[in-house]
Amino acid sequence: NAGVTQTPKFQVLKTGQSMTLQCAQDMNHEYMSWYRQDPGMGLRLIHYSVGAGITDQGEVPNGYNVSRSTTEDFPLRLLSAAPSQTSVYFCASSYPRAAYNEQFFGPGTRLTVL
Amino acid sequence: GDSVTQMEGPVTLSEEAFLTINCTYTATGYPSLFWYVQYPGEGLQLLLKATKADDKGSNKGFEATYRKETTSFHLEKGSVQVSDSAVYFCALRDRSNFNKFYFGSGTKLNVKP
Repeated sequence: NAGVTQTPKFQVLKTGQSMTLQCAQDMNHEYMSWYRQDPGMGLRLIHYSVGAGITDQGEVPNGYNVSRSTTEDFPLRLLSAAPSQTSVYFCASSYPRAAYNEQFFGPGTRLTVL
Repeated sequence: GDSVTQMEGPVTLSEEAFLTINCTYTATGYPSLFWYVQYPGEGLQLLLKATKADDKGSNKGFEATYRKETTSFHLEKGSVQVSDSAVYFCALRDRSNFNKFYFGSGTKLNVKP
């Protein structure tokens, strides 16, 4: 199993550009989520999904869009990048319907918006 | 609502010292509790977990006991190594809402030789 994979590892954007961060998992997990990690802020939930076709907002959804067309993939779209979106982005997945199931994290995408 | 509070870092210890990182939680339901570790430049990895009161999670010499009466899940290790230098996150997942994981702000541990 590859686990949770994310691409790209690093990205530099100019203000106003758009891009998609890719996330895929091969563990057949129904639950997937996106977090951003900023210095001193811990992890903040952006969006999550409990299955194909079902998504919901997390704590900091503004400026981001998601869709879930397959169980395996959960891309995160930045519609018009802003410097405030400079961060490290983590995708995670889990089995959904039991509290004892942990999340598995990808290696992260480090995004810089100039 | 649910939340997790961790002791602030950084924590700096000498090799072979005893480690405690405090974690307390607030939950509306009956949560499962987790400790994750993040090494520099990497994603989070599960270190240990406990799913009911008085359970003890353990892994790589780290331990944490689920204390419902004090709503705590403190991380301990008897003798730290330089390779334990990382950021540690306490987290919970509530049975009343499986769709949300709540993370503490993280505690950076520096171990000096």
